[in-house]
Amino acid sequence: GAVVSQHPSWVICKSGTSVKIECRSLDFQATTMFWYRQFPKQSLMLMATSNEGSKATYEQGVEKDKFLINHASLTLSTLTVTSAHPEDSSFYICRPRRGASGGYTFGSGTRLTVV
Amino acid sequence: KQEVTQIPAALSVPEGENLVLNCSFTDSAIYNLQWFRQDPGKGLTSLLLIQSSQREQTSGRLNASLDKSSGRSTLYIAASQPGDSATYLCAVDSDNDMRFGAGTRLTVKP
Repeated sequence: GAVVSQHPSWVICKSGTSVKIECRSLDFQATTMFWYRQFPKQSLMLMATSNEGSKATYEQGVEKDKFLINHASLTLSTLTVTSAHPEDSSFYICRPRRGASGGYTFGSGTRLTVV
Repeated sequence: KQEVTQIPAALSVPEGENLVLNCSFTDSAIYNLQWFRQDPGKGLTSLLLIQSSQREQTSGRLNASLDKSSGRSTLYIAASQPGDSATYLCAVDSDNDMRFGAGTRLTVKP
């Protein structure tokens, strides 16, 4: 159980365009979704936390107007990188809130390359 | 805010060696600590999860220990193999706020 489907797994886009990344919980309801990004040769850094039906909270230094998070349902959270620039090229990965059993699930990640 | 540090940042060993990766964290009030493996360009593979009440976990050639009071964990890899080459990440969960270390890039040479 506790499967999270993340897509796309990779995307290449032109500078200035927007890219939407989806994380969908397949067999459970995710009231909370954590979004991380990982720059090359660096660790995962928490970007923001989305909660179903309310505004996301962003970590310091993350532009909320650039990284739009929508968590409109209990099974879908999306991250949209708006007006992407090459410096946004990174690996983005989602994680729902820890399950009652204590287990964790991560999305498979999205590698974004902005050219 | 929890801070997680991993030492060394990179490690290169010949095949067959036993090795230890280190992880330290600043706030001992943790729910659990987890070790992950990440291959280049890939997602995370969970290796071992240690609950805050536990002191160690073992899986095959891997053994992870946890000393909450001193804010430390170690990942011991026995008889290393070239297939163990990857980046190893330590992650600490404090009330569902999971923070990652910068990782140790391990290279095992044949």
